[in-house]
Amino acid sequence: SYELTQPPSVSVSPGQTVSITCSGDKLGDKFACWYQQKAGQSPVLVIYQDNKRPSGIPERFSGSNSGNTATLTISGTQAMDEADYYCQAWDSGTGAFGTGTKVTVL
Amino acid sequence: EVQVLESGGGLVQPGGSLRLSCAASGFTSSTYAMTWVRQAPGRGLEWVSSISGYGEDTYYADSVKGRFTISRDSSKNTLFLQMNGLRVDDTALYYCARSTGIGVSDPSDCWGQGTLVTVSS
Repeated sequence: SYELTQPPSVSVSPGQTVSITCSGDKLGDKFACWYQQKAGQSPVLVIYQDNKRPSGIPERFSGSNSGNTATLTISGTQAMDEADYYCQAWDSGTGAFGTGTKVTVL
Repeated sequence: EVQVLESGGGLVQPGGSLRLSCAASGFTSSTYAMTWVRQAPGRGLEWVSSISGYGEDTYYADSVKGRFTISRDSSKNTLFLQMNGLRVDDTALYYCARSTGIGVSDPSDCWGQGTLVTVSS
């Protein structure tokens, strides 16, 4: 099975920039997407096809993917961005999720 | 409004069976790829199974292959997950999600609230 690894947690001050990495074998050869999950809520798609934002997602969310690492960046982080974030990619007919990263806005 | 609503969860003994349903509204589910994702209490998201749009290509995580079956009833605009041989580690909140297109690798842009499956004796 395909494995995607994320840091368990990151913290950021309001207004600052935070980046979350997602590592997997040759991940840059696949499309990566990112989901935000706030406490007690269902996941929400925030980035797809490496760097595209769905309608309604703020411009402060951006993504990149190269080599073995995909990155989600939140610029000008707001308190409402505090959540768990998961990357996802498909490999050989399986849809793997990353291990998840808890973003705390201090 | 595009929505999906899961149902069918509950308490079941190890080795038992359950069938989850996902009723779609605001769109024709057979024309989209659909996916089941689960989340054990306090844990991360785990992809379970997907079915392609229009076609009947199905995909399963190794952890459920041979025990779970994904299917759809186009006349009812409903997705199903038949779960047999349930184990304690299948205990989780099961989400239904719609993909943005017909391909199973398309991202999921509409998620339900989930239905809780508890496997315990």
